[in-house]
Amino acid sequence: GEDVEQSLFLSVREGDSSVINCTYTDSSSTYLYWYKQEPGAGLQLLTYIFSNMDMKQDQRLTVLLNKKDKHLSLRIADTQTGDSAIYFCAEPYSGNTPLVFGKGTRLSVIA
Amino acid sequence: DTAVSQTPKYLVTQMGNDKSIKCEQNLGHDTMYWYKQDSKKFLKIMFSYNNKELIINETVPNRFSPKSPDKAHLNLHINSLELGDSAVYFCASTVTGSPLHFGNGTRLTVT
Repeated sequence: GEDVEQSLFLSVREGDSSVINCTYTDSSSTYLYWYKQEPGAGLQLLTYIFSNMDMKQDQRLTVLLNKKDKHLSLRIADTQTGDSAIYFCAEPYSGNTPLVFGKGTRLSVIA
Repeated sequence: DTAVSQTPKYLVTQMGNDKSIKCEQNLGHDTMYWYKQDSKKFLKIMFSYNNKELIINETVPNRFSPKSPDKAHLNLHINSLELGDSAVYFCASTVTGSPLHFGNGTRLTVT
């Protein structure tokens, strides 16, 4: 995977749903990942989806995968101020584990 | 605590100096990485080591030299530091097929 694209900014009101979108390039990717980076901190794995799945739900998080369009999305239900962070989509580098990251979407939650 | 730990957390130095950043993981992983995050938060892989062997070396100036004394350590030495080297450097580790675990980053400022 060479290019992972994400929009850079998203602003939502507290309690609304957030949807962060990502497009990737490598159709052979076995896993696709979402990482979260809070200010001044490292990257934490938020969730991931195996390429043979269309959807994965984990509490307030829903990941949707459209392999045909190479489109990945992360939905956060009932967004809270603590969700404010940068969210990175990532796919493996050349089929191995090293990850290629998108440029990150900065989510701002307005109280 | 099981983790990927980097030292120092902050590093301020002058142009032309040589500095090192250390990384250790106690997760039993066999592969370690260095990523660079620039001021726009873009993350790019620099190096990858598997069982002490270099397997990925992206287009990085040869002033940057990684060293892996054993599977649990991957240090980054930088010679003749330049202003453009200012960034946050993240160490990460994994075992094949698993997501990356990141350290908390080293913020390098070159003045």
